Amino acid sequence: EDQVTQSPEALRLQEGESSSLNCSYTVSGLRGLFWYRQDPGKGPEFLFTLYSAGEEKEKERLKATLTKKESFLHITAPKPEDSATYLCAVQPVLGYKLSFGAGTTVTVRA
Amino acid sequence: SAVISQKPSRDICQRGTSLTIQCQVDSQVTMMFWYRQQPGQSLTLIATANQGSEATYESGFVIDKFPISRPNLTFSTLTVSNMSPEDSSIYLCSVEGQETQYFGPGTRLLVL
Repeated sequence: EDQVTQSPEALRLQEGESSSLNCSYTVSGLRGLFWYRQDPGKGPEFLFTLYSAGEEKEKERLKATLTKKESFLHITAPKPEDSATYLCAVQPVLGYKLSFGAGTTVTVRA
Repeated sequence: SAVISQKPSRDICQRGTSLTIQCQVDSQVTMMFWYRQQPGQSLTLIATANQGSEATYESGFVIDKFPISRPNLTFSTLTVSNMSPEDSSIYLCSVEGQETQYFGPGTRLLVL
């Protein structure tokens, strides 16, 4: 069974204070690792797909990286609007099921 | 990415009743999925719904409790049957896109 573990559960940051979120995974052949952002009362919003170890993707203040066992989401100089729950998910080569971690809730104070 | 809408956005129901949730997509898609997000927990796949075939359910979910329809390539419904307070969750539909699955806004269900 594919498993995804995210840490920390919650992260409180001061505006401008950079930090990283961790996503550890086990999967029977990785098709892709996905990062989503979820705001309260809304569905997950797609951020990144990573396919192979060593790959990196960037979008504004966010940068996602991937190794064979984990992925990191780096938040550089965060702003209050970056406050959200960040979800990590993996999809195996065989099948379409996304297995999600429990998420990291990020709060950025001005 | 596809634009996905769900109805209702939220509901409060009595135990023992059933609720049907609708998911509408603005483009034709082959694969649609239904997920549950229980309070404080992450998303769990309930079933995969392909047009023209029976839905495929994940371990722990059964058709009698969560019947699904997929009448065409832009629409699906999920029914939560004979509800109990443990069914209080957010129910989300998603569609397979070019790069990943894209999610609807969710239906927030509270069962009293």
